[in-house]
Amino acid sequence: QSALTQPASVSGSPGQSITISCTGTSSDVGGYNYVSWYQQHPGKAPKLMIYEVSNRPSGVPDRFSGSKSGNTASLTISGLQAEDEADYYCSSYITSSPLYVFGTGTKVTVL
Amino acid sequence: EVQLLESGGGFVQPGGSLRLSCAASGFTFSSYAMSWVRQAPGKGLEWISGITSSGGSTYYTDSVKGRFTISRDNSKNTLYLQMNSLRAEDTAVYYCAKRHSTVTTFDYWGQGTLVTVSS
Repeated sequence: QSALTQPASVSGSPGQSITISCTGTSSDVGGYNYVSWYQQHPGKAPKLMIYEVSNRPSGVPDRFSGSKSGNTASLTISGLQAEDEADYYCSSYITSSPLYVFGTGTKVTVL
Repeated sequence: EVQLLESGGGFVQPGGSLRLSCAASGFTFSSYAMSWVRQAPGKGLEWISGITSSGGSTYYTDSVKGRFTISRDNSKNTLYLQMNSLRAEDTAVYYCAKRHSTVTTFDYWGQGTLVTVSS
């Protein structure tokens, strides 16, 4: 099972919108609505931002939204803010080993 | 407040062993599945092992199967990872993560513990 493919970096100016893609296969992203997105600041633990493709946990700003089309999931950050600068990882649950596969990670830079 | 506190990391030579612990608080530990996820220096996240709430079922990624053992002590609210036959490629920060009760995602993570395997 290979890692899901994400762009290495995405950047935007404050207030702009950016979208991070997460491409897998029909065996992971395309096969289940179990895509999650995590935010990780340097030296910190990952934080859940989106689960089941498009659901936000309580406390996560509604600037963060998720979607999926076919084998590609996407995370959109609207109204980009300085504190959004971090690494972002997608993840998909699958029913076979290794159960969870993560994306390659995307570094978001706020210009 | 949910808290997960890993410990037990350190420096070990190839072929050596370490046992990681994850002390949980702020939730009913015995009701939730748990996992270990690692992150090699400068690299992405990798799920390596999971265990059901009762401890009755365990799961591993292929690269650690037969070398690592996940377990839990619900009376002590603690998750463990016994790591044997360690290799240089096992060098990483190891996170414990709590699975959401009904959703297949990890809603809380610990701060991680660093394992360095080197001669």
